[in-house]
Amino acid sequence: DAGITQSPRHKVTETGTPVTLRCHQTENHRYMYWYRQDPGHGLRLIHYSYGVKDTDKGEVSDGYSVSRSKTEDFLLTLESATSSQTSVYFCAIGHSVIYNEQFFGPGTRLTVL
Amino acid sequence: SQQGEEDPQALSIQEGENATMNCSYKTSINNLQWYRQNSGRGLVHLILIRSNEREKHSGRLRVTLDTSKKSSSLLITASRAADTASYFCATDAGNTGFQKLVFGTGTRLLVSP
Repeated sequence: DAGITQSPRHKVTETGTPVTLRCHQTENHRYMYWYRQDPGHGLRLIHYSYGVKDTDKGEVSDGYSVSRSKTEDFLLTLESATSSQTSVYFCAIGHSVIYNEQFFGPGTRLTVL
Repeated sequence: SQQGEEDPQALSIQEGENATMNCSYKTSINNLQWYRQNSGRGLVHLILIRSNEREKHSGRLRVTLDTSKKSSSLLITASRAADTASYFCATDAGNTGFQKLVFGTGTRLLVSP
């Protein structure tokens, strides 16, 4: 998985609790992305980063925040988890904004009860 | 909003047969990419075709792009059981500035021995 790890790989939590997912890369790529994958929706972009401390919203950012204090780490936080945030979350990295080929992590399966 | 839609949603073939998947999109693009996802894994980049290209090959993969019809097709020749996976197209929209990929909903391919 191209030097990308995600932690945890599985998590079950309760509605209303905060959750933080971590993406770690060893490729020194500038661009990092968080997606969620749900049946019938494909992958949808939550947030992305184009450098340390530089982040922006994607298509489905409500209820999520991100932080990137180091090149290698991109954190996704659900401030107060809801059942609608039950999903599989993928982190991706990219080195080029021109061709934007992305490399994906193994995913985190999150269940919010 | 979904940019790309794959067709068919599911495809079942025998080993040795060819598999063709189609992708339609809505807006102008810089490039179109195809990704594969094995069950329970992250996406893997297969091939990228630029908006000024009409056809591209990579091993057993052949991708075509018709910008006038806003469509692309992925052909896998001589399919193998190991090709069983979901396949996604992703478009890189033709706006200036940071390019984000928008993924389709995918085609599930089953290749039987």
